[in-house]
Parts: sequence; structure tokens; C-alpha cells
Amino acid sequence: AQSVTQLDSQVPVFEEAPVELRCNYSSSVSVYLFWYVQYPNQGLQLLLKYLSGSTLVESINGFDAEFNKSQTSFHLRKPSVHISDTAEYFCAVSGNNAGNMLTFGGGTRLMVKP
Amino acid sequence: GAVVSQHPSRVICKSGTSVKIECRSLDFQATTMFWYRQFPKKSLMLMATSNEGSKATYEQGVEKDKFLINHASLTLSTLTVTSAHPEDSSFYICSARVRPGQETQYFGPGTRLLVL
Repeated sequence: AQSVTQLDSQVPVFEEAPVELRCNYSSSVSVYLFWYVQYPNQGLQLLLKYLSGSTLVESINGFDAEFNKSQTSFHLRKPSVHISDTAEYFCAVSGNNAGNMLTFGGGTRLMVKP
Repeated sequence: GAVVSQHPSRVICKSGTSVKIECRSLDFQATTMFWYRQFPKKSLMLMATSNEGSKATYEQGVEKDKFLINHASLTLSTLTVTSAHPEDSSFYICSARVRPGQETQYFGPGTRLLVL
């Protein structure tokens, strides 16, 4: 079984400031890790994922996340946020097996202020 | 690629009626589809997993007679909320996976159900 903890339910930040959204997980097996973004009244969009290989993964809109196995973390970062980044962000984990069920964290609401 | 649609996007119904929500994979065939429920300001809770041509697997605590799932083709899964009550009001989201073992799920835009 896996579990995901997103320590911050809300993160307010000013535009152009850096941000880190924290995600820790627990699992008894090797995992795949994901970050999804949800804009108001919309479904989830995959932001980035770690499957294997390089522990630093990047998205096309400036976010990155680093898989840290020893700390069981997969924090999401962006060096300079925009108003349009305001959304709910979900960290998710799945075991790297045929079942591959996703377990979601509680979500972090990123609120970017002008 | 990998687009998933849901219909309707929102629905309002009277208590006691049934509501069907469709989930379609538009540009790929999905052997597995998932149905999630999301309460306001909460995370997604997996309700059930449906595999094309077989019965859905429901998570603990989800009433299978209440939430009927059908995955009749590789591009369509339906969730029917039977005899809906106000407590069934929620945001229902489906996702699809191309094949078993594939790591990525593609999510639909969600359906907001309001039961009066």
C-alpha cells in the first residue's frame, strides 16, 4: 500500500516569487511519482512524472520536481510563478507493477498574488 | 494525443432519479478506466476500476449497486448513479489507461453532479 502526504493545504505566494510544494510518500515497493494540476472546475492535467532514470524531471511550463528516495519526497518547484499558475496541485504515487493504482495526496492550493 | 472526454460536464437532477455519466477516450483505446469522486476542497478518491469487457472492481465502501459501471468498449465507460440523493452530489472524474502496466492515467474534465 502507498500513501501520499502533501504537508501544505494552501500556499500563498506573490507573482514572480519562487515556490515549493511539498510531497512525501510511503510505499513498500518501488514507485512512479506524478504531479497533476487542476484548474477550477476542470479535471486533472499531468504536469510531470518520475518513472526511472534522472531524478530531476521538468515540465514544459517551468516546474520541476526531484525524486529523493532517501527522504521519500517528490517536491514540486518553480523559480518564478505567474498568476496563471494559481490552481490545485496533486501529488500522486503508484507502484511500478501491473496494478498501477494511483494514490493521491490531499492537494495543495497554490494562490499567486499580484 | 491521449484526450479523455466526459459528458455531461454538469448535471442537476431530482432526488430519486438516476444519472448516467459517460467517459470516452477520444484518440486511443483504453483497456482500463478509473472513476474517481472529489468532494469540495478534497482530494480524489478512487471509486472503481473498470476493464473493458469485465466487471468493475469497486473500492471498499463504494456501493456497486448504487454506482453502476459499464465498460462496454475500448473507448467508452459509463457510470450510472442510481436513485441519486443529495449526498451523492460531487465532482466525478474518470481517467483512462491505454494498457495494463502503463504508468500514466489520462483524466477527463470531470462531471459535476448536483442532486436536489
